[in-house]
Amino acid sequence: GAGVSQSPSNKVTEKGKDVELRCDPISGHTALYWYRQSLGQGLEFLIYFQGNSAPDKSGLPSDRFSAERTGGSVSTLTIQRTQQEDSAVYLCASSLDSAGGREQFFGPGTRLTVL
Amino acid sequence: ELKVEQNPLFLSMQEGKNYTIYCNYSTTSDRLYWYRQDPGKSLESLFVLLSNGAVKQEGRLMASLDTKARLSTLHITAAVHDLSATYFCAVDIGNNDMRFGAGTRLTVKP
Repeated sequence: GAGVSQSPSNKVTEKGKDVELRCDPISGHTALYWYRQSLGQGLEFLIYFQGNSAPDKSGLPSDRFSAERTGGSVSTLTIQRTQQEDSAVYLCASSLDSAGGREQFFGPGTRLTVL
Repeated sequence: ELKVEQNPLFLSMQEGKNYTIYCNYSTTSDRLYWYRQDPGKSLESLFVLLSNGAVKQEGRLMASLDTKARLSTLHITAAVHDLSATYFCAVDIGNNDMRFGAGTRLTVKP
């Protein structure tokens, strides 16, 4: 399909382990976003990539969180030394700046559970 | 600090009734988006509002934008059970960056 894909769909890990979450945006979309959504809560902005510009990391909750976007396409969100409070659904979205707006298209999310 | 506030956060309504969800924001923006999220699912785009006075309608939902008041509304007409979901507004703050409201969890009861 041509939508945003994320992997894995589910990840269970032990406290203290590192995890990597992957996002494949829609081809040609210049902007990519990561959000975190805890159970029953809203979206917490984490990080935003726009083209080749420096990413906006203002939403990352701690230095255990980092993200990369290689070649302007695929992005990886890394959480080091996971904690139980990191358990949430991590959503990725991409968008294309156009005259029709910057509507974000969301992936299905990765459900992270830290035991 | 940028604020995007939705009101109400929880809404329980009967089928056939009308109601409005409000989205207030604290920064200058002329673009606003509404999304729907079903339980356990990701977000789905509903409306894209690109200018002051913009109004979009799809079925029983109508969204509007007043950039001077920094307010968007999502109006529900004659609600049906299928509309039960969480609705998010998102404000475009420039440079392709966006901030979301906390969401309004709507439950439509028979």
